[in-house]
Amino acid sequence: SQQGEEDPQALSIQEGENATMNCSYKTSINNLQWYRQNSGRGLVHLILIRSNEREKHSGRLRVTLDTSKKSSSLLITASRAADTASYFCATDKTSGSRLTFGEGTQLTVNP
Amino acid sequence: DTAVSQTPKYLVTQMGNDKSIKCEQNLGHDTMYWYKQDSKKFLKIMFSYNNKELIINETVPNRFSPKSPDKAHLNLHINSLELGDSAVYFCASSPIANTGELFFGEGSRLTVL
Repeated sequence: SQQGEEDPQALSIQEGENATMNCSYKTSINNLQWYRQNSGRGLVHLILIRSNEREKHSGRLRVTLDTSKKSSSLLITASRAADTASYFCATDKTSGSRLTFGEGTQLTVNP
Repeated sequence: DTAVSQTPKYLVTQMGNDKSIKCEQNLGHDTMYWYKQDSKKFLKIMFSYNNKELIINETVPNRFSPKSPDKAHLNLHINSLELGDSAVYFCASSPIANTGELFFGEGSRLTVL
């Protein structure tokens, strides 16, 4: 089974609304990262949150981490059509271990 | 300037053929990776090299052979291509092995007919 699993698998919202995506994982982690992938493009790093952090902000992005529930959420506020992409969480179990990606959430923001 | 560049972007070939994908990074990173993304967008690591040395070798058929001539280049050669090899292959790099942010190339879409 996969280390990171996102839900929902797909999310469709209107421009201006907030989008929340969740990631759950099975084993303890060192760091959790979120990436965005536009259609036909490579993945782009959005934000990294360490296991001893609970919340992190970057522009319109807010990431939370609950290690007791082994879950993280990515909130995109005031969404734009350009936010349409797949969003992946990725975890590493210990410092220096490989990064394992979840299955991704496909976000569609309708203008 | 493109940070991580892969060629070719698209590759269509027949079963049984041998093909290569090349990757170069100009970020000065020590570590490079190959990931495979299947049709359901699931990303799985295949190989990782740190300063030209293999450090991760997942359970990948030995038809796949990576080669790192220097720390800025990591190529992937695939022998005797099979239908199941059809996927998008991503090269990535990071400053330190398996730590922090990965920088991805744009991907190479391989279609085996």
